[in-house]
Amino acid sequence: DADVTQTPRNRITKTGKRIMLECSQTKGHDRMYWYRQDPGLGLRLIYYSFDVKDINKGEISDGYSVSRQAQAKFSLSLESAIPNQTALYFCATSDPRGSGANVLTFGAGSRLTVL
Amino acid sequence: AQSVTQLGSHVSVSEGALVLLRCNYSSSVPPYLFWYVQYPNQGLQLLLKYTSAATLVKGINGFEAEFKKSETSFHLTKPSAHMSDAAEYFCAVSVPGGGNKLTFGTGTQLKVEL
Repeated sequence: DADVTQTPRNRITKTGKRIMLECSQTKGHDRMYWYRQDPGLGLRLIYYSFDVKDINKGEISDGYSVSRQAQAKFSLSLESAIPNQTALYFCATSDPRGSGANVLTFGAGSRLTVL
Repeated sequence: AQSVTQLGSHVSVSEGALVLLRCNYSSSVPPYLFWYVQYPNQGLQLLLKYTSAATLVKGINGFEAEFKKSETSFHLTKPSAHMSDAAEYFCAVSVPGGGNKLTFGTGTQLKVEL
C-alpha cells in the first residue's frame, strides 16, 4: 500500500456541487499539506496542518476548506465547485525530524474536473 | 517571501547527451532547495535536496545539482540522458523553520529523443 493515499483518483462534477478529496497516510507524519497543480503554474499550496488542532491557509485557500480528522487523515473540500477549480490536487506529508526532514512525500494525486 | 524561477518550460535532449535544467531562487534567508520529478500520472518524487551541507548534491538516477549562492542558482544536471528520464521536473524552495512549506517553480518538461 502507498504511504500517502488519495481518493478519489479521478472525479468529474458539475458547477455548484460539493466535493471532498480525502487523504490518508501511514508514515506517522504530523505535517500534512494540500497542493493544487495547474499546467504552466507548478504546484501551489492550498492549506497545511502541523497537527490535528493546527490548520493554516496557504497561498490559494479561497473556495476551499479542510478537515484534519486524525493525525493520518486530512480532507480537502470544495463547498461549491466552479470550473476554474479544475486541476490536479496533491496531498503531501512531512516530518521535521530525522533524515527525511524537510522532504515532502506526495500522494498520487486526485484529478478533478468541474463542468 | 521565497520564489524559484525555472528557465525553459520544455527541454529536449538526445539520448546520451547532457541534461541541464535551470533553476534560480530568491530568498531573504539561506534556503533549502529541492528537485522533484513527476512521471506521467504519478505524484512527485524527490530527486535531491540541499539543506546547507555540501554545495554539490547527488541524487537518485544519476542526477546532481550545485548550490551557487553568488548566482542564486540550483541547476540540475545529468551527464548522459536516458529515455526513462523523460518527465516533468520541479525546483522548489523552503526556508528553515518555515514548516516545510515548499514554493515550487512552474516545471520543466524534459523530452529525450533517440
